[in-house]
Amino acid sequence: GAGVSQSPSNKVTEKGKDVELRCDPISGHTALYWYRQSLGQGLEFLIYFQGNSAPDKSGLPSDRFSAERTGGSVSTLTIQRTQQEDSAVYLCASSLGDSGLAKNIQYFGAGTRLSVL
Amino acid sequence: AQTVTQSQPEMSVQEAETVTLSCTYDTSESDYYLFWYKQPPSRQMILVIRQEAYKQQNATENRFSVNFQKAAKSFSLKISDSQLGDAAMYFCAYRRFFGNEKLTFGTGTRLTIIP
Repeated sequence: GAGVSQSPSNKVTEKGKDVELRCDPISGHTALYWYRQSLGQGLEFLIYFQGNSAPDKSGLPSDRFSAERTGGSVSTLTIQRTQQEDSAVYLCASSLGDSGLAKNIQYFGAGTRLSVL
Repeated sequence: AQTVTQSQPEMSVQEAETVTLSCTYDTSESDYYLFWYKQPPSRQMILVIRQEAYKQQNATENRFSVNFQKAAKSFSLKISDSQLGDAAMYFCAYRRFFGNEKLTFGTGTRLTIIP
């Protein structure tokens, strides 16, 4: 596609429910990143994929958070048993994945705003 | 671990004037990349400008330029001839030199343009 696509744009859920957030990266981009942006905060790194594997999961805040990527393309971020503190904007980015700077620029989607009531 | 600090939560500037946004960072590495991203109300992060730490020359993109002071670990963004469309949150970000590394962001500066 022309850009990084995320769905849904907004999600309202009840505390304790599970949610799935989807990211469709730019075609041909092998690297994919998830970030979380809480109100008034900068972006916090969650997880990084290279192809279908996740060499860096260091930012996942708890075992309620998981992510997968299939076919080297679409990624899903799952939050189980949501809590009110999970309310945030979840942003996805992708890059070509080569080591040179020009090819490693991260391009972002518009994010999913998650509200946990 | 690397940290990025933006000490100006909010800034405002008159249309057509110049404004400078501040960013400092902390790292023990000698090679790295620095970025400024813009986030309008649409939420999509847009790359404004980037700087390779090994380059002494400051990066410039049209009305946007940076003042990169490596020894002081400072990376400020100057916006010249400010336009209404420049109103947004601006984030400074750091990335390690090697590999497909994550971005480490500051907490952002909200820029308001006064007509």
